Amino acid sequence: GENVEQHPSTLSVQEGDSAVIKCTYSDSASNYFPWYKQELGKGPQLIIDIRSNVGEKKDQRIAVTLNKTAKHFSLHITETQPEDSAVYFCAASRTDSSYKLIFGSGTRLLVRP
Amino acid sequence: DADVTQTPRNRITKTGKRIMLECSQTKGHDRMYWYRQDPGLGLRLIYYSFDVKDINKGEISDGYSVSRQAQAKFSLSLESAIPNQTALYFCATSDLNRAGANVLTFGAGSRLTVL
Repeated sequence: GENVEQHPSTLSVQEGDSAVIKCTYSDSASNYFPWYKQELGKGPQLIIDIRSNVGEKKDQRIAVTLNKTAKHFSLHITETQPEDSAVYFCAASRTDSSYKLIFGSGTRLLVRP
Repeated sequence: DADVTQTPRNRITKTGKRIMLECSQTKGHDRMYWYRQDPGLGLRLIYYSFDVKDINKGEISDGYSVSRQAQAKFSLSLESAIPNQTALYFCATSDLNRAGANVLTFGAGSRLTVL
């Protein structure tokens, strides 16, 4: 079955710097890759997603890139702000079974003011 | 009011006790899920349901059972709790967005401690 590895487990950046979180997946048939953000005391919330027919997707300060050949995908946050501090989860699934998301282990991002 | 409500938010119990975690939603979604979150392990799927008559096992269903009492209600039971079931449990619902992606809406979580 699918396995998703996520790195780093913790990341500390200065406000205004960029942050990058990386994930690798094992199932070459996976074609849907969402990212969820979990703030303290809350459930995860979808912030951006990408399909395998797209190499990059941007939404304001966040972007996701996908390398299908290497089975890597990454989350990029530019101009980080304190409110970006949270735990971020990547996930992967096949669109024909997208209800079976396999999540990475999470990255705790701390943005220092 | 939250779209997905979980009760209780926190529970401490003893080994061998029966525990039920409840979830209700106002999203009108047919699909509902129970996930478990452990430090360093991310979120793992316990059970999922596509409608009232449809229940499916996820990655880690052993030691758990579920009941879909209505479209809006999905409960998770631990018949005889054990310490390694100490975790943060999330209920979620989902619907397909315009791009056909299955987008999850999570509750705030139920923290369970088994002594």
